[in-house]
Amino acid sequence: GAGVSQSPSNKVTEKGKDVELRCDPISGHTALYWYRQRLGQGLEFLIYFQGNSAPDKSGLPSDRFSAERTGESVSTLTIQRTQQEDSAVYLCASSLRRGSTDTQYFGPGTRLTVL
Amino acid sequence: AQSVTQLGSHVSVSEGALVLLRCNYSSSVPPYLFWYVQYPNQGLQLLLKYTTGATLVKGINGFEAEFKKSETSFHLTKPSAHMSDAAEYFCAVSGTGTASKLTFGTGTRLQVTL
Repeated sequence: GAGVSQSPSNKVTEKGKDVELRCDPISGHTALYWYRQRLGQGLEFLIYFQGNSAPDKSGLPSDRFSAERTGESVSTLTIQRTQQEDSAVYLCASSLRRGSTDTQYFGPGTRLTVL
Repeated sequence: AQSVTQLGSHVSVSEGALVLLRCNYSSSVPPYLFWYVQYPNQGLQLLLKYTTGATLVKGINGFEAEFKKSETSFHLTKPSAHMSDAAEYFCAVSGTGTASKLTFGTGTRLQVTL
């Protein structure tokens, strides 16, 4: 079956512009996660969705970052007034349930470059 | 709070040699531990995970890892490296409870030479 897909694969934007990153999880997966991978660093957790609610937003770095999810489907991560430090690969993952032992399946990521 | 430390950002081995990638964790609750692999221009793929039960966990592509609570370690090994193993490897931890984010180490890039 289809895996997690993300679009666009690459995004170059100018400082101060808004960007939207999209994630399509595996069909039937109730849990969805966003992570960020900055150059030379590990993945940082941003936000978690169970269905269309977000019980854990603790990783969002500032109020410029927001995310939403439609039902148990597509999620969009929005970054407003982008800054150069927002440059990173943004990864989305989904899992069948929300348990800590459930395998998270990752998409290929969106590489964001802020000039 | 949880954290993961991966010793060695780069590891180089000869083809056919033992692969050992180190991971130590810190967790205030019983941990669940994961190893993911990231091939160039691809997403992360689960290699193996430890939840409960047997502490020696076998994964895909001949990799295995052993959970050692006394050493707070979850090192990844493979007896004989293959050129196709060249990739970046990430160790991650999550805690008990319902939904849980993964906390990742900074990754180890494995190079396999002839």
